Amino acid sequence: QVQLVQSGAEVRKPGASVKVSCKSSGYTFTRYGVIWVRQAPGQGLEFMGWISGYSGNANYAQELQGRVTMTTDTSTSTAHMELRSLRSDDTAIYYCARGRRGAGVDYWGQGTLVTVSS
Amino acid sequence: QPVLTQPPSASASLGASVTLTCTLNSGYSNYEVDWFQQRPGKGPRFVMRVGTGGIVGSKGDGIPDRFSVLGSGLNRDLTIENIQEEDEGDYHCGADHGSGGNYVYVFGAGTHVTVL
Repeated sequence: QVQLVQSGAEVRKPGASVKVSCKSSGYTFTRYGVIWVRQAPGQGLEFMGWISGYSGNANYAQELQGRVTMTTDTSTSTAHMELRSLRSDDTAIYYCARGRRGAGVDYWGQGTLVTVSS
Repeated sequence: QPVLTQPPSASASLGASVTLTCTLNSGYSNYEVDWFQQRPGKGPRFVMRVGTGGIVGSKGDGIPDRFSVLGSGLNRDLTIENIQEEDEGDYHCGADHGSGGNYVYVFGAGTHVTVL
């Protein structure tokens, strides 16, 4: 069965960086992309970016350009999302999900809580 | 890019039906929309995708037959019949847009469903 398993919770100080991983199984990783979404406490879902599992090409939400980098490792079917220069308003649950351009998003990871606090 | 509008809340008595609306803005009437369920304290779960012809592809894993969709004009509705306590939570709709370096995935603000 399709599964996306994310790395564990992280606590960082303002200005630091965090890297979240998302390991996929149960499907051919290179036939799909991975989108990253975050949800601040009590808020809705926010698109962060998308990366192709085939080419590794990524594009990011305009608001995060310059602070976020998404990568993939096809040998382990794992996607990574690094967010730099963290601020308190980056405190959120970060999700990865399987997606295909023009065909939507279906399976989701369990989420990773990132807390930014001094 | 598309904008998805959802009412902030909806409610229904146990066993009744509720329809959740997700409305696209003008110019995007051919877009398909994904529906996600988010139970309290849990992550999003794919329900199904809807276009103007109804469901696109298959329902998400374990989604009961009580869930159905309808697409008409700019609306992409999700109906829950015989609503159960386990259906309480937030429902989000989303749509992808663009290609190449302009790809985005947009979400509606979500609808909180209360089972009375």
